[in-house]
Formats: sequence, structure tokens, C-alpha cells
Amino acid sequence: DVVMTQSPLSLPVTLGQPASISCRSGQSLVYSDGNTYLHWFQQRPGQSPRRLFYKVSNRDSGVPDRFSGSGSGTDFTLKISRVEAEDVGVYYCMQGTHWPWTFGQGTKVEIK
Amino acid sequence: EVQLVESGGDLVQPGGSLRLSCAASGFTFSSYWMMWVRQGPGKGLEWVANIKPDGSEKQYVDSMKGRFTISRDNAKNSLYLQMDSLRAEDTAVYYCVRMQRSAPVDDWGQGTLVTVSS
Repeated sequence: DVVMTQSPLSLPVTLGQPASISCRSGQSLVYSDGNTYLHWFQQRPGQSPRRLFYKVSNRDSGVPDRFSGSGSGTDFTLKISRVEAEDVGVYYCMQGTHWPWTFGQGTKVEIK
Repeated sequence: EVQLVESGGDLVQPGGSLRLSCAASGFTFSSYWMMWVRQGPGKGLEWVANIKPDGSEKQYVDSMKGRFTISRDNAKNSLYLQMDSLRAEDTAVYYCVRMQRSAPVDDWGQGTLVTVSS
């Protein structure tokens, strides 16, 4: 299985300040069709997960533009330009290139 | 509005069986791959299984292969997960998911709790 490694696992941030989460995969996530199926999910406390980005940097519906996704190959990043209170939760990267699809361990974002 | 409503979660003894259901509405169910994803208590997310729109292709995570069976009834807009030979480590919230890898399609149910304990 492809191991997805996130860092940091805990991220205390000040409101209005930027935040960045790294995700590394154990092998390239470029699929045979040329696409890179790396997705980012947010799970707010007590809620079901929701996807923020698909294929590295494509924003899902309703995702604020203060969020951005980038990266290629095996190294990927989720950035929040200015953290707001509603961004508190756990963020997961997930690869959908190699079966079984796998998630990172999760990064807990909290307000300082 | 897309809705995915899971049911069937319960307390079951090790070695027992359980069948989860997911009622879908708000979209053309028969056109989409559907999935089950689980989350152990205080833990991260784990993919369980996928099923093709017509049910002809199914994918399972190795640790669940042979014990879990994903199925669907497109006439009833329903997704199922039959879980047999349950183990304590199967204790989790199970989510019904509609997701496309290459399009802004992502919907999750509220989850149903399965507890495996004697």
C-alpha cells in the first residue's frame, strides 16, 4: 500500500496567519492517464469529512479561495493564506492513484 | 440536494455479521461509483471498498477482502455493505461516499457506528 506521510501532525495557528501542511507519498502519484490523484479533505469537529481539492489543485465546490493546493510527483502541500476560526479541524491528504486508496494520518489545525 | 443516509450500525459480538445500508437521493445513483470509508474511534480515515455504477466491478482493501461485500440496488437507490467475521478492529464509523477523482463531486453521509465487542 502507498504510505502517505503528513507533517506536521499538529498545527497551532494564530487567526489571520498562514498555515501549511505537507504530504508526501511513498511512490509517485502520477497515474497511467497522466493525472495525479492527490486529494485534500477537511474534517471539522463532529462532522463528516469533505473534500477541498481533487487532483492536487482543483478546488471543490464551496471551498474558499484562501485555501490552495500544490505539488507534484510525491510532494504536495495544502496552504491556508489566512486562517479563520471555521478552519479548525483535521486535514487529510489522500491518494486515489494506486489501489487501495490511502489517507495520510491527518493534521490537526487548532487556534493558538 | 444530494443526500446519503446510512443505517444498520449496531453493537455486535466478535465473529458476528452486520449489514449496512445507504439510501441515496438527489442524483442519478446508477451513474456513479460508490464507496464505503471508515473511521475508527479517535483515528484517521480508511478506505473500505468501491463499486462500479452497474455493480460489475468491486474493489476491496485487503484486510476486508473475503469478509466484507459491497453491493448496490440501483432500482432502490441503495448501497450496502455486508460485514462478516467481524473483529474488534472493525469498530468504526462507516461512511457512504460518492466521489469522483476527476470532477468536483464529493458527498458523504453522516456515518453509522459499528461496535464490535463482547
